Amino acid sequence: EAQVTQNPRYLITVTGKKLTVTCSQNMNHEYMSWYRQDPGLGLRQIYYSMNVEVTDKGDVPEGYKVSRKEKRNFPLILESPSPNQTSLYFCASRRWDGNEQFFGPGTRLTVL
Amino acid sequence: GESVGLHLPTLSVQEGDNSIINCAYSNSASDYFIWYKQESGKGPQFIIDIRSNMDKRQGQRVTVLLNKTVKHLSLQIAATQPGDSAVYFCAERTGTASKLTFGTGTRLQVTL
Repeated sequence: EAQVTQNPRYLITVTGKKLTVTCSQNMNHEYMSWYRQDPGLGLRQIYYSMNVEVTDKGDVPEGYKVSRKEKRNFPLILESPSPNQTSLYFCASRRWDGNEQFFGPGTRLTVL
Repeated sequence: GESVGLHLPTLSVQEGDNSIINCAYSNSASDYFIWYKQESGKGPQFIIDIRSNMDKRQGQRVTVLLNKTVKHLSLQIAATQPGDSAVYFCAERTGTASKLTFGTGTRLQVTL
């Protein structure tokens, strides 16, 4: 089954404790992306990647890091989480030239 | 900066009626406009896209209209069903190697 998986689905952590949210896709997509979704603000892009070892900032990259060492994986790293990073996070992938973007199930993060 | 927005935050429609969800955009250089559907507790799901050189595109029960003169995009859903209840986002993309910019969403409520 073609899908994007994220782990964990839920996470409660404390300020300053480094965390990683994993994302993996099995569709051989070149393009992968991370979004955060907050009430009233819709989906905002954090980082995206056009291919292995190619990443670029989205609209709200501050406080986040990503890496793309393999085509299928695109982890999101929060080196020092803060409460304003409490949000619902989505990973997504698509073909480099396509508009149909496949989203993961989401990761709900709470930073205390 | 450039943005994609929606006129109506919530739309209530009776089952069987047609729904029209509207979106205003500001970036006249966008190449594609895309509609996504997000059901409660899930990631967004691609519905349909339209290239900027088109003014209409039809899918299964859905039609997207693009009016570049007034920078307006709409999604029409025919014979709305309870399963259509969700939040609908419009998004825009410029070029192949670029991010999607999402609007804030419209909630569609289907009443029986």
